[in-house]
Amino acid sequence: AQTVTQSQPEMSVQEAETVTLSCTYDTSESDYYLFWYKQPPSRQMILVIRQEAYKQQNATENRFSVNFQKAAKSFSLKISDSQLGDAAMYFCAYRANYGGATNKLIFGTGTLLAVQP
Amino acid sequence: KAGVTQTPRYLIKTRGQQVTLSCSPISGHRSVSWYQQTPGQGLQFLFEYFSETQRNKGNFPGRFSGRQFSNSRSEMNVSTLELGDSALYLCASSATQTEASTDTQYFGPGTRLTVL
Repeated sequence: AQTVTQSQPEMSVQEAETVTLSCTYDTSESDYYLFWYKQPPSRQMILVIRQEAYKQQNATENRFSVNFQKAAKSFSLKISDSQLGDAAMYFCAYRANYGGATNKLIFGTGTLLAVQP
Repeated sequence: KAGVTQTPRYLIKTRGQQVTLSCSPISGHRSVSWYQQTPGQGLQFLFEYFSETQRNKGNFPGRFSGRQFSNSRSEMNVSTLELGDSALYLCASSATQTEASTDTQYFGPGTRLTVL
């Protein structure tokens, strides 16, 4: 069975600084997607970034980028120039992508990010 | 496009009652998934519907059920509520095109269910 592990329950960063959130996963599949979702206090789950396993290039979305290490099964999120609005719970998630797979997401336990002014 | 909407946003029930939650997906999305979020168990997949058919189900008791209508709107029902069913229930939709494909999920704001 696939699993997703986030080993940092809480992190803190100074405004304008850079922070990296860690995620490791376990799967025997070769075709899958990985995601980072952000959940602010409003509880609305917001997609931050996604990475297809077959793409070697790391995904980037503005100030957010990932370091995808397929062999190590590692998928970290880097937030540059942190802003107060980045404060939230961040979830790493896995979804299989083989033929016949469904949209089921497997989530990690989350990392609570605090941004200090 | 309007995002995923869920109603009601908050709900208070007592043990033994049943509850129905509703989810309207993004226009054009045919797949709807449901997740339960609790402090103890985290985010857990309940089930997914595509074109009115359940195509995957998580490890939850039969008290949890769902359905999807022809307009892709979905409902989930929990019967004989227990205290442990208190949770945030999140609905997500995706633009999945076929019953054998997948796509990115976009979430609604959730329904907060409290069971007393």
